Amino acid sequence: NAGVTQTPKFRILKIGQSMTLQCAQDMNHNYMYWYRQDPGMGLKLIYYSVGAGITDKGEVPNGYNVSRSTTEDFPLRLELAAPSQTSVYFCASSLQQNEQFFGPGTRLTVL
Amino acid sequence: GENVEQHPSTLSVQEGDSAVIKCTYSDSASNYFPWYKQELGKRPQLIIDIRSNVGEKKDQRIAVTLNKTAKHFSLHITETQPEDSAVYFCAASIWDPGSARQLTFGSGTQLTVLP
Repeated sequence: NAGVTQTPKFRILKIGQSMTLQCAQDMNHNYMYWYRQDPGMGLKLIYYSVGAGITDKGEVPNGYNVSRSTTEDFPLRLELAAPSQTSVYFCASSLQQNEQFFGPGTRLTVL
Repeated sequence: GENVEQHPSTLSVQEGDSAVIKCTYSDSASNYFPWYKQELGKRPQLIIDIRSNVGEKKDQRIAVTLNKTAKHFSLHITETQPEDSAVYFCAASIWDPGSARQLTFGSGTQLTVLP
């Protein structure tokens, strides 16, 4: 099993550009999450999903969108990138409310 | 919403000594408290967790204690080793049947174990 995978690993965006961060898991987990981690800080929940077709906002959803068309994939969309979205983004998954397994992260810089 | 405060932000100990990291939470409805270890440039990994129906849990050199009345919980690492050096995060969440665990994280503690 590859576990939770994320692409790309690094990305630099210009202000106003759009991009999609990809996340996939092969553990047949039903719950998936997106977090952001700012330097020297803990993780903050952006969005989460309890199953295909179901998504909900977390603590810091503004500026982001998600979709969950399959159990395996949970992409995160940034429509109009802003410098405040410079961060490391982690995707995670869990089987029900059990342990959350994290992906390797995507380091995003918006200039 | 929930607020989790974590102290200290940095902690240096000699190899073999113990390390203690403390967290407080604000929402008395929180009932699940995991601890994550994050090595430099790596993903967070769960090292231990505790539910509110127990006061202490141990796993080899790691233990977590919970005081529901005071709304704080602590991570204890005994016989520290250089490989324990990392950032440690506490978190809290409310168990809501049918919903995902929305973890609220502390700001992290950089633990350095000096040889």
